[in-house]
Amino acid sequence: AQSVTQLGSHVSVSEGALVLLRCNYSSSVPPYLFWYVQYPNQGLQLLLKYTSAATLVKGINGFEAEFKKSETSFHLTKPSAHMSDAAEYFCAVSVGGANSKLTFGKGITLSVRP
Amino acid sequence: GAVVSQHPSRVICKSGTSVKIECRSLDFQATTMFWYRQFPKQSLMLMATSNEGSKATYEQGVEKDKFLINHASLTLSTLTVTSAHPEDSSFYICSASLPFTDTQYFGPGTRLTVL
Repeated sequence: AQSVTQLGSHVSVSEGALVLLRCNYSSSVPPYLFWYVQYPNQGLQLLLKYTSAATLVKGINGFEAEFKKSETSFHLTKPSAHMSDAAEYFCAVSVGGANSKLTFGKGITLSVRP
Repeated sequence: GAVVSQHPSRVICKSGTSVKIECRSLDFQATTMFWYRQFPKQSLMLMATSNEGSKATYEQGVEKDKFLINHASLTLSTLTVTSAHPEDSSFYICSASLPFTDTQYFGPGTRLTVL
């Protein structure tokens, strides 16, 4: 069984500040890890993914995440927040493969203050 | 690339009627599609996995006879909510697996409101 923990439900940062959204996972097999972003009343957009290649993964919109096996973590970061980054962010884990189910964390709301 | 569409984006229906939601992969063929349900301020809950040409696999607690899933082609899966009731009101999102990438791409979602 796999699970994802996203501590906290809301993160607020100032525009231009560092964004750090935490994700810890549990998996009995090597995991595939994903970060998705959801804007209000929309579907999910893939930000980035880890699929057993490089541990530092760069995604769209300046986001990146680092897979740390020893810490079972896959935290999402962005050096400088923009107002347009305000959204809901979901971390998800799967075992890989086209038929593999995604298990989502409960999500974190990111607010960006002017 | 990897665009998934859903139709309709919003539907309001009366209690007891059936509603069909379509999910299409526009620029790739998807042997596997997934259907999720999302309540306000909550995460996505997987309802079922849909494989082209075979019966869908439902998650525990999801009523197969209420949520009918058909995956008749490599680009289209449909979810039919039968005899809808107000408690079925929710945001329904589909995803499609892009072959050889281990990645799901999501549709924009369908907001169902049952009166």
